[in-house]
Amino acid sequence: NAGVTQTPKFRILKIGQSMTLQCAQDMNHNYMYWYRQDPGMGLKLIYYSVGAGITDKGEVPNGYNVSRSTTEDFPLRLELAAPSQTSVYFCASSSNGDSNQPQHFGDGTRLSIL
Amino acid sequence: GDSVTQMEGPVTLSEEAFLTINCTYTATGYPSLFWYVQYPGEGLQLLLKATKADDKGSNKGFEATYRKETTSFHLEKGSVQVSDSAVYFCALGQSGGYQKVTFGTGTKLQVIP
Repeated sequence: NAGVTQTPKFRILKIGQSMTLQCAQDMNHNYMYWYRQDPGMGLKLIYYSVGAGITDKGEVPNGYNVSRSTTEDFPLRLELAAPSQTSVYFCASSSNGDSNQPQHFGDGTRLSIL
Repeated sequence: GDSVTQMEGPVTLSEEAFLTINCTYTATGYPSLFWYVQYPGEGLQLLLKATKADDKGSNKGFEATYRKETTSFHLEKGSVQVSDSAVYFCALGQSGGYQKVTFGTGTKLQVIP
């Protein structure tokens, strides 16, 4: 029972490099989310998707891009890494967009930009 | 906009002590309220939730009551264990095309034997 799987778990990038954070879920959830977690802060929403082919910006989308070609996968791309993007990134999913739905989280990707 | 305020940590307690982590919120409409727990190196997991005023959520000995009059959702447990050491997040959920969740900043709990 995998749930939400994120890869890689850790990564160090140099300024200006690019990378893709992978996220996959096996619960057939239509709704998926990307958050970043900075020390002493709550989670901030980067992008979300309400189904395959449909994505939209969250609270802090600058410097990131997403795609959603299948229900299962929701990758997050950093094009030109900057030190401000050093953070822990979490992918989450929910079965629908109702306010009472719990979100299911992956274990996170810890990213450092040097 | 919506916001969630929870008590600063870290909170250090001895095993079997009583736990309270305060959480207050501001929101429009009728949000749902959640407590999530994050163990070291892991993602957040739902601990409990309440979807309307006066609802009590409970799980694993933890409880929280949705108080609309005081806009609060305080987390309590009567007797903590070392295994409860984690970071606890209070969160508020709204619907509107997707589930918009506003998280508190988290409270780290350390339980010592």
